[in-house]
Amino acid sequence: DAKTTQPNSMESNEEEPVHLPCNHSTISGTDYIHWYRQLPSQGPEYVIHGLTSNVNNRMASLAIAEDRKSSTLILHRATLRDAAVYYCIPSNFGNEKLTFGTGTRLTIIP
Amino acid sequence: KAGVTQTPRYLIKTRGQQVTLSCSPISGHRSVSWYQQTPGQGLQFLFEYFSETQRNKGNFPGRFSGRQFSNSRSEMNVSTLELGDSALYLCASSLRLRQEQFFGPGTRLTVL
Repeated sequence: DAKTTQPNSMESNEEEPVHLPCNHSTISGTDYIHWYRQLPSQGPEYVIHGLTSNVNNRMASLAIAEDRKSSTLILHRATLRDAAVYYCIPSNFGNEKLTFGTGTRLTIIP
Repeated sequence: KAGVTQTPRYLIKTRGQQVTLSCSPISGHRSVSWYQQTPGQGLQFLFEYFSETQRNKGNFPGRFSGRQFSNSRSEMNVSTLELGDSALYLCASSLRLRQEQFFGPGTRLTVL
């Protein structure tokens, strides 16, 4: 499994954009980059995934570096509901196992 | 569409007992995975089932086992409980292998 490095914690003001970084320098060529988040007292929730090019969905955007050794999850306008632990997970879609690291605890300041 | 449901939500057992946890995936989902979450170890993969077959297994002792039924519902069993088995046990389902996973709320197991 590729090793990931994420900041332990980040803070952001409500209604401002948030950029959550992740380093995954040992990622293999066939690994997708998944992002999940876990809100307090809930199970993890899928956010977004991508392989090479940037991806957008209704929740967030994923910017992937050209060398694929890092990626950034972008929340365009943070709300209080976005306070959660965010996990970046490289995973080959041929392997269903998700290996969660310690993630980034995001705090949103009203 | 109903989400992943797990029963029971809370459970208290004593050392040496065994426990069975249940997971009902989202209707139509055929893949079920189980994870253990503890403050010290974080979220760790236990095992994954697809079409009643175990496809992948994490690094847990043989006391941890699971199965999947023909309706895709899954159970996991822990025998001879130890204090360290106290954790939140999460189940996740996906439509098929290689799809995003949808997690249930978990079963919080306390071993006394």
